[in-house]
Amino acid sequence: QVQLQESGPGLVKSSETLSLTCGVSGYSISRGYFWSWIRQSPGRGLEWIGTISFGDNDYYNPSLKSRAIMSVDTSKNQFSLQLSSVTATDTAVYHCARRLGGDASWFDYWGQGTLVIVSS
Amino acid sequence: QSVLTQPPSASGTPGQRVTISCSGSSSNIGSNTVNWYQHLPGTAPKLLIHNNIQRPSGVPDRFSGSKSGTSASLAISGLQSEDEADYYCEAWDDSLIGPMFGGGTKLTVL
Repeated sequence: QVQLQESGPGLVKSSETLSLTCGVSGYSISRGYFWSWIRQSPGRGLEWIGTISFGDNDYYNPSLKSRAIMSVDTSKNQFSLQLSSVTATDTAVYHCARRLGGDASWFDYWGQGTLVIVSS
Repeated sequence: QSVLTQPPSASGTPGQRVTISCSGSSSNIGSNTVNWYQHLPGTAPKLLIHNNIQRPSGVPDRFSGSKSGTSASLAISGLQSEDEADYYCEAWDDSLIGPMFGGGTKLTVL
């Protein structure tokens, strides 16, 4: 059974960098598929942040204006998100998820999410 | 932000059939497949429907999906109290070059 678990600080100061890690169990990231971050801001729906594959091919939501960077660590079977210059609007529950491919695909496994609050 | 439009809320009584709509455009639903997820806050979202109509193993056949043109729907028949959750549609958007979610529909079982 594939499981994903987010971890990272729950409180980040405004203008600093948010760093989160997603640990994967039950599946080796090096085998393939695509690994994503998705967030849900208070009172809002889900927003895709970005996706990365084992070969480090990554792509991001343009709305983040190049603030997001993802990376993969196959030795620890985990992937990470860094979001720079955060503001209060980045306060959200951050989920990591596995996506089977690009356009004709879907997210089949998700983590339960971690709340990140951006404080001034 | 959401390009896919869902009603913010829906409701029904146990045993009823409820439908949740998802409206998009030619750059997303009109040219790509639709997926549906069920989310209970504090838990991991669960894949309900993929490729417009397909149910993953373990998802009851009470849940069904459909798509026509630039719109899609999720139907839940034989409504149960455990179905009370948030439901999201998702489709690849060719302009975004990434997946796009609907704003979510909160389903209440009365």
